[in-house]
Amino acid sequence: DLQMTQSPSSVSASVGDRVTITCRASQGISPWLAWYQQKPGKAPNLLIYAASNLQSGVPSRFSGSGSGTDFTLTISSLQPEDFASYYCLQTHTFPFTFGPGTRVDVK
Amino acid sequence: EVQLVESGGGLVQPGGSLRLSCAASGFTLSNHWMTWVRQAPGKGLEWVANIKEDGSAKYYVDSVKGRFTISRDNAKNSLYLQMNSLRAEDTAVYFCARVAAAGRGLDLWGQGTLVTVSS
Repeated sequence: DLQMTQSPSSVSASVGDRVTITCRASQGISPWLAWYQQKPGKAPNLLIYAASNLQSGVPSRFSGSGSGTDFTLTISSLQPEDFASYYCLQTHTFPFTFGPGTRVDVK
Repeated sequence: EVQLVESGGGLVQPGGSLRLSCAASGFTLSNHWMTWVRQAPGKGLEWVANIKEDGSAKYYVDSVKGRFTISRDNAKNSLYLQMNSLRAEDTAVYFCARVAAAGRGLDLWGQGTLVTVSS
């Protein structure tokens, strides 16, 4: 099965910081990579689809990039509501697979 | 209102069965692939199963193959997950989610329903 790795597993940051999260697939999956934000006790929320497309209603400080096996989620200026966990999901091949997640917490 | 609402979770003994339901409203269910995703307590997200718009194709993660069955009734605007031979490791919050369109991600999620497998 296609494996997804994500780094870092956690990051401590301050409001206003630029945060970058990386997702790597065990084989090429372009462009079938999406990013999700999840807050405790809540369902995930779609941020980015097809590697670089911003989901409607998502703030423009979120952006996605990458191709092939390496993808990045960037938060350009971290806001208080952005402290959460972030997951990538590949939908190139069944079984779909999530990355293990990145927790963004307060520095 | 466009929403998904799961139900059917609860406490079940190992080896038991449970059927989860996901009620869709505010959109045409038959236009979308649908998905089940689960999250064990304190753990990450795990994709469980997908079903095509008309139910003609189904896909599962290896750990549930032969035990879980995804199905749908478009006339009732409902998605289901029949879970048999449940194990302790199936304990999780189960989310249903809508596939927006090919490659456009899971754009609508339910609130989740907790399944606990324990004696």
